[in-house]
Amino acid sequence: TAGITQAPTSQILAAGRSMTLRCTQDMRHNAMYWYRQDLGLGLRLIHYSNTAGTTGKGEVPDGYSVSRANTDDFPLTLASAVPSQTSVYFCASSPGTSGRVSNEQFFGPGTRLTVL
Amino acid sequence: GQNIDQPTEMTATEGAIVQINCTYQTSGFNGLFWYQQHAGEAPTFLSYNVLDGLEEKGRFSSFLSRSKGYSYLLLKELQMKDSASYLCAGMDSNYQLIWGAGTKLIIKP
Repeated sequence: TAGITQAPTSQILAAGRSMTLRCTQDMRHNAMYWYRQDLGLGLRLIHYSNTAGTTGKGEVPDGYSVSRANTDDFPLTLASAVPSQTSVYFCASSPGTSGRVSNEQFFGPGTRLTVL
Repeated sequence: GQNIDQPTEMTATEGAIVQINCTYQTSGFNGLFWYQQHAGEAPTFLSYNVLDGLEEKGRFSSFLSRSKGYSYLLLKELQMKDSASYLCAGMDSNYQLIWGAGTKLIIKP
């Protein structure tokens, strides 16, 4: 089982360019999440989706957009990249959203993005 | 506001025991998670506590005190492969995880 995959693994992007980070899961999980992880800071939630067809804003949504057309895919788009978006981006999924041990989040391998 | 505090770095010796503490403030509370993250890799789930007390899972145990807003992760019989960052995360009333910055654990032979 692949679990949750992300592409690309890493990318260098010129400021002002757009880019879509891809995330796919094959676990039929309802909820999906995008985080960014920066040195010295905890994981910060960018956007989330509790179920296909719905999305919500997290702690740091500005400059990012998402869509959830189906259960498996949850792409993250940077419309016009800026250097402060240089980070490691993790996609995660969970079976549901309530506070239960069975709703642990499973993480993809991450995308390392550098914006110059 | 919401906040998770944990030490930045800890050092321990192979074969010993180490306790990583975490204090949390969340808007509502739906449980406390611990994750392990090796350098350059994704976080992986270790434990979940929603009731007070100790949850044991092999060499790892996690404790929660809701009245004190406090949790710890206890690692026994440390192995070199336990060198990693340990992330504490509290789940708020919206079932979103609030993450600490992580504790980097260095294991020395």
